[in-house]
Amino acid sequence: DIQMTQSPSSLSASVGDRVTITCRASQSISNYLNWYQQKPGKAPKLLIYAASSLQSGVPLRFSGSGSGTDFTLTISSLQPEDFATYFCQQSYSTPYTFGQGTKLEIK
Amino acid sequence: EVQLVESGGGLVQPGGSLRLSCAASGFIFSRYNMNWVRQAPGKGLEWVSYISSNSRTIYYADSVKGRFTISRDNAKNSLYLLMNSLRAEDTAVYYCARDLVEYSGYDYNWFDPWGQGTLVTVSS
Repeated sequence: DIQMTQSPSSLSASVGDRVTITCRASQSISNYLNWYQQKPGKAPKLLIYAASSLQSGVPLRFSGSGSGTDFTLTISSLQPEDFATYFCQQSYSTPYTFGQGTKLEIK
Repeated sequence: EVQLVESGGGLVQPGGSLRLSCAASGFIFSRYNMNWVRQAPGKGLEWVSYISSNSRTIYYADSVKGRFTISRDNAKNSLYLLMNSLRAEDTAVYYCARDLVEYSGYDYNWFDPWGQGTLVTVSS
């Protein structure tokens, strides 16, 4: 199985900060990498697919990059509604696996 | 509006069974592959199972293989998960999620949208 490791596990930041979350795959997954945002008590929401494609309706402050084993999700200027947990997911092969999540909290 | 609504969760004893349903609306259900994903309380996301649009291809996580069965009824726009021999570690919110594929030669795929989830609690 492909293991996905996110860092950091938690992060404190302020409104307006630039934030980067990293996701590393245990083997090359090309660009088969997706990012989701989850708020408490809610279902995950797709942000980025195929490593760098922004889902329709998602603000432009979100961006994704990377290929192979190393990927990043960047939020260029944090807004109050961005405080949530973020998960990466590989869709290269089953079993599809997720990172453990990064909880983004208000400083 | 594209929507997925899960139902069927509840409290069940260890060793018991439960069938979850996911009702789809707002899109042509028969054209899409589907997934079940679960999340134990306070934990991360775990993919559970996948079914292709025509039910010919099915995959399971090792943790549920032989105990869970995914199925669908395209005439009823519904996805199902039959869960047998339930264990305490199966306690989770279960989400259904549509599998979208970009047929560009690479066939990237991702989950969108997700349903609101249904809670399954396995306890005596």
